[in-house]
Amino acid sequence: QKEVEQDPGPLSVPEGAIVSLNCTYSNSAFQYFMWYRQYSRKGPELLMYTYSSGNKEDGRFTAQVDKSSKYISLFIRDSQPSDSATYLCAMSQPTGNQFYFGTGTSLTVIP
Amino acid sequence: GAGVSQSPSNKVTEKGKDVELRCDPISGHTALYWYRQSLGQGLEFLIYFQGNSAPDKSGLPSDRFSAERTGGSVSTLTIQRTQQEDSAVYLCASSLGGHTDTQYFGPGTRLTVL
Repeated sequence: QKEVEQDPGPLSVPEGAIVSLNCTYSNSAFQYFMWYRQYSRKGPELLMYTYSSGNKEDGRFTAQVDKSSKYISLFIRDSQPSDSATYLCAMSQPTGNQFYFGTGTSLTVIP
Repeated sequence: GAGVSQSPSNKVTEKGKDVELRCDPISGHTALYWYRQSLGQGLEFLIYFQGNSAPDKSGLPSDRFSAERTGGSVSTLTIQRTQQEDSAVYLCASSLGGHTDTQYFGPGTRLTVL
């Protein structure tokens, strides 16, 4: 079983839709949770960073962590064509420097 | 300011040859990470440097893979006797060094082994 599971999609939505992206994980020691956005032929860039459980909002983006279910989500409101990219979740334990990434979900927002 | 740079951007090599991939981190970043991204596999951790030392080499897939970092700056990932399964995008990231510090990624080197 992989440490982090993420549906690869692809996911296609009309402009303005609410997008929900999700990851599940198996290691209860994970405390730090991240979402990265990766455009084609580019490196990933950090979108959201959450410690432990709860919600975090940044503009049109909301990250949720449910540690009891080992489930994290990223919501994108009022999606834009410029949001079209691959979204990767990542997580880590409090100690050590290894980060575990999901496979990424490919999102296309259609104008 | 300058971000993380990697070279070459693309590398095509023949099976059995050695390749060197270079990463120039952001100035002042003490932590440096190498990852491999294969289609459908996500990012696979390879190695982590803090300064010039590599406390965690656990992700290197075989002894054909090695990496070094000199002067706390530039890092080189070397793959010896390349195999077709080594074909992937190799990504480098750097950060200020704390566990919670943001990792900034380079654009990657796309390696194709024929």
